[in-house]
Amino acid sequence: GENVEQHPSTLSVQEGDSAVIKCTYSDSASNYFPWYKQELGKGPQLIIDIRSNVGEKKDQQIAVTLNKTAKHFSLHITETQPEDSAVYFCAATDGNNRLAFGKGNQVVVIP
Amino acid sequence: ETGVTQSPTHLIKTRGQQVTLRCSSQSGHNTVSWYQQALGQGPQFIFQYYREEENGRGNFPPRFSGLQFPNYSSELNVNALELDDSALYLCASSLFTGGADNEQFFGPGTRLTVL
Repeated sequence: GENVEQHPSTLSVQEGDSAVIKCTYSDSASNYFPWYKQELGKGPQLIIDIRSNVGEKKDQQIAVTLNKTAKHFSLHITETQPEDSAVYFCAATDGNNRLAFGKGNQVVVIP
Repeated sequence: ETGVTQSPTHLIKTRGQQVTLRCSSQSGHNTVSWYQQALGQGPQFIFQYYREEENGRGNFPPRFSGLQFPNYSSELNVNALELDDSALYLCASSLFTGGADNEQFFGPGTRLTVL
């Protein structure tokens, strides 16, 4: 099955700076890559996703890039704010609608 | 549009007992997936229900079972609870159209503690 790895496990950034989280996946058949934000005591919230026919996607302060050849994808958060502090998960699926998640990345935005 | 809801919020059981968790899918969605999230880990896929039938299962034993109802709501049942079953149980709803994977939207989860 799909194996998704996520790095780094913890990331601290100064308010206003950018944060980048990188993920790799193992199954070359994977074609859908969502990113979720999970705050303490809440369920994961879908923040952006990308499909395999696209290399980059932006939505306001967040963007995701996908490199199918290298089998990795990244989340970019620009102009970080304290409310961006949370755990971020990347995931992948190969068309069977089952999400394989990474272990998560704790992002801490320092005011 | 109504979001995904789950009940109960928290649950404490003892080893060997049985538990039922409930999920109401988002309006317009026809598929429910269940995930187990251990502390400090990413969610792990348990199974998915579409048209009231199981449509894929992860690496979980048969004592994990489920149901989907005509209104697309779903239940997760766990028999013979073990200490390692302590986790946050998440359900996610989506609209399956037979084509590419669609967005899955998660509920707030049920925190299960097994003593």
